[in-house]
Amino acid sequence: KQEVTQIPAALSVPEGENLVLNCSFTDSAIYNLQWFRQDPGKGLTSLLLIQSSQREQTSGRLNASLDKSSGRSTLYIAASQPGDSATYLCAVMGSARQLTFGSGTQLTVLP
Amino acid sequence: DAGITQSPRYKITETGRQVTLMCHQTWSHSYMFWYRQDLGHGLRLIYYSAAADITDKGEVPDGYVVSRSKTENFPLTLESATRSQTSVYFCASTRSGTGNTIYFGEGSWLTVV
Repeated sequence: KQEVTQIPAALSVPEGENLVLNCSFTDSAIYNLQWFRQDPGKGLTSLLLIQSSQREQTSGRLNASLDKSSGRSTLYIAASQPGDSATYLCAVMGSARQLTFGSGTQLTVLP
Repeated sequence: DAGITQSPRYKITETGRQVTLMCHQTWSHSYMFWYRQDLGHGLRLIYYSAAADITDKGEVPDGYVVSRSKTENFPLTLESATRSQTSVYFCASTRSGTGNTIYFGEGSWLTVV
């Protein structure tokens, strides 16, 4: 059974810092890995999708990497802003297109 | 571009009642999913569907029923609601293929009293 772990569970940083969120998964037989953002009381918004054959994806200040063989992914956020405060979820896609989620990292960026 | 919508957004029901949560997507995505999100458990898959009339169980299917007679709709029914089914329910959809983003609805907050 696939298990996804995210570290740290919570993170508080001052505005402007670069930060890294970590995700690990136990079964490397994945189709892709996705990072989502969830604001309080809201649904999930997809940030980045990395296919299993790719090593990284970038969107604006966000960069996600994938090392499938070691079962790890990182989400790098550059020059953090208070508006980045949210919960960030990592999920891996299995053979039936279902996602297995980590428990998330709750990020607070202080002005 | 309406996307994926869930209804009701908020619902309070009594133990033992039947409740149906609706999900509708406008993209004609083949895959649809129901997840529940609980503190301490994160997001867990209840049921999913690869196409109309094809459904399959996820991690936590007990107490739930789904159907998919049309591609765009994927209702989730709690046949006899229990307090342990108090949760936030998210519907999601995606195209076939492994490189496609999954899109989530805004969620349905269900409280069973």
